[in-house]
Amino acid sequence: ELQLVESGGGLVQPGGSLRLSCEASGFTSNAYWMQWVRQAPGKGLVWVSRIHNDGSSANYADPVKGRFTMSRDNAKNTVYLHMNSLRVEDTAMYYCARDLWGYDSFDMWGLGTMVTVSS
Amino acid sequence: SYVLTQPPSVSEAPGGTARITCEGNNIGGLGVHWYQQKPGQAPVLVVSDDSDRPLGIPERFSGTNSGNTATLTISRVEAGDEADYYCQVWDSDSDHWVFGGGTKVTVL
Repeated sequence: ELQLVESGGGLVQPGGSLRLSCEASGFTSNAYWMQWVRQAPGKGLVWVSRIHNDGSSANYADPVKGRFTMSRDNAKNTVYLHMNSLRVEDTAMYYCARDLWGYDSFDMWGLGTMVTVSS
Repeated sequence: SYVLTQPPSVSEAPGGTARITCEGNNIGGLGVHWYQQKPGQAPVLVVSDDSDRPLGIPERFSGTNSGNTATLTISRVEAGDEADYYCQVWDSDSDHWVFGGGTKVTVL
């Protein structure tokens, strides 16, 4: 079955760290750019980061640049989002999605994993 | 950075036509993608590259894009179309994806 499954979310204190994972199944994930998109409770979709098929390059939204790092292990069909120096405003549902060309539409999304930053 | 503006809400009676706009500077020169998100669910792609429908998306969903406005049109609106809808473009100047703020469609 074609799917993306996120994991790793949870409750963390401000200033803490967390690593999210997104495992792909049913397709070869190294054919795709992979994306992270987040959605704060009751708010809209916000793009977070993307990574090239081979992991050679990544881009980040300004609010997370320097704090978040995206990586991938194509042998495991898994991408990661390493989140450091977490802030209350990072609280959100985090979705991963795939994109064929890096500037194509997101034709598949995971169900998301919730990150809550609170003391 | 590039900004996409959507109306917060659109209402339509069953059987009618709902139009959701997405405004951006010269957006007609960009490829616009549209997503539907129902409460508690992940987004679903309903229109890509201005007007292409993915497999499984009803023909009632269509898109246009010209000038400074892209439009998602839902014809013969049904109760099951109630959802939030988001437009999206790739901003090559910043190498960032940009989403509109979202439009809540209510079926009266």
